[in-house]
Amino acid sequence: ETGVTQTPRHLVMGMTNKKSLKCEQHLGHNAMYWYKQSAKKPLELMFVYNFKEQTENNSVPSRFSPECPNSSHLFLHLHTLQPEDSALYLCASSQAPGHNEQFFGPGTRLTVL
Amino acid sequence: DAKTTQPTSMDCAEGRAANLPCNHSTISGNEYVYWYRQIHSQGPQYIIHGLKNNETNEMASLIITEDRKSSTLILPHATLRDTAVYYCIVRVGVNDYKLSFGAGTTVTVRA
Repeated sequence: ETGVTQTPRHLVMGMTNKKSLKCEQHLGHNAMYWYKQSAKKPLELMFVYNFKEQTENNSVPSRFSPECPNSSHLFLHLHTLQPEDSALYLCASSQAPGHNEQFFGPGTRLTVL
Repeated sequence: DAKTTQPTSMDCAEGRAANLPCNHSTISGNEYVYWYRQIHSQGPQYIIHGLKNNETNEMASLIITEDRKSSTLILPHATLRDTAVYYCIVRVGVNDYKLSFGAGTTVTVRA
């Protein structure tokens, strides 16, 4: 238990569906992150939020839309995804951006049909 | 633009020390060495980090060579639960939140 929870743990969706991934951290951290881990590829940083403000968008397609309503919650809204978007989506948090350790959630395994 | 090089895989015996090497020959003076691991079906887990001095915590020890071009993560008494992919990452300390995960080393601890 890392103090970072993600729901759902597994999600199957069609290409025309709209769904959302949720992340919650109970650590009092101010920075939150979305990562994508595709099969046989390294983790890729997608988005970074610091004090609810987006500070990084790593050239992510607009079909992925993040939302950070407060420092404890982070969402990833999904719409019109492609099969190649199937991956493990990981949320992480840290005290602040910088060389503090990042705490990761267990991830959401997404399958796009 | 991989900054670190690690062996693809290694086996170690349960109860023995596991020594995981990492080369980072282009490391800059202000870059830290971080280690994370990812157990199957879980998110990555922070292990330890260091700048130039050796570091030890409850999970592992980190030995950094004097020229800082390589380091070794030591798991003192490997258990079956230590089977995971281990990532060696270099990053600038201040305001560098980007963890660039490479392929890592797949460590299998055998009974």
